[in-house]
Amino acid sequence: EAEVAQSPRYKITEKSQAVAFWCDPISGHATLYWYRQILGQGPELLVQFQDESVVDDSQLPKDRFSAERLKGVDSTLKIQPAELGDSAMYLCASSPWRGQFADNEQFFGPGTRLTVL
Amino acid sequence: GQNIDQPTEMTATEGAIVQINCTYQTSGFNGLFWYQQHAGEAPTFLSYNVLDGLEEKGRFSSFLSRSKGYSYLLLKELQMKDSASYLCAVRDSYGGSQGNLIFGKGTKLSVKP
Repeated sequence: EAEVAQSPRYKITEKSQAVAFWCDPISGHATLYWYRQILGQGPELLVQFQDESVVDDSQLPKDRFSAERLKGVDSTLKIQPAELGDSAMYLCASSPWRGQFADNEQFFGPGTRLTVL
Repeated sequence: GQNIDQPTEMTATEGAIVQINCTYQTSGFNGLFWYQQHAGEAPTFLSYNVLDGLEEKGRFSSFLSRSKGYSYLLLKELQMKDSASYLCAVRDSYGGSQGNLIFGKGTKLSVKP
């Protein structure tokens, strides 16, 4: 069964360091999402891609976060510099959604748990 | 503004039935999703409603009333493995944020023997 892949699964870093997370969506899925989930909260969208284009990055703290999906397949989310408040689970999801009315669910990867010391 | 409310925690007994409620106030609406999330794991899809009424899928059912901004997830014949957080999410209508899900904080369900 096709799955969304993410790496690393766990990352511990010190504040002010740079970190990067990688996501490989389900093959053929046009839309890719990065979410941040703080313990005890629901996921919050950081950025949405359709193919290689950013559709929504309104909630992405652009002073320190960046995301790219250069070839419209896999994606990287970077934080530089990391702050204590960035400690969270970073989830990647993909969907075949192409802006049509459909029940296209989002399929989530296992996530990367980031701890900033 | 966007607001999705669900109870923080619930407890139920193995074999019983539990209903988890969700109310929402969002600028747009293009469907409501329920996800299950075990501790430390990714959310997994349970159900989807876009029209009013009940959708049944095995032990799980989900109901939607768009006029009331209300949904519930019904879990029957509870099993210990159903202990998890249940996330209610509303898909925003399209515009610049096509297909975006707005999640509630989740309801942590504990199933006891």
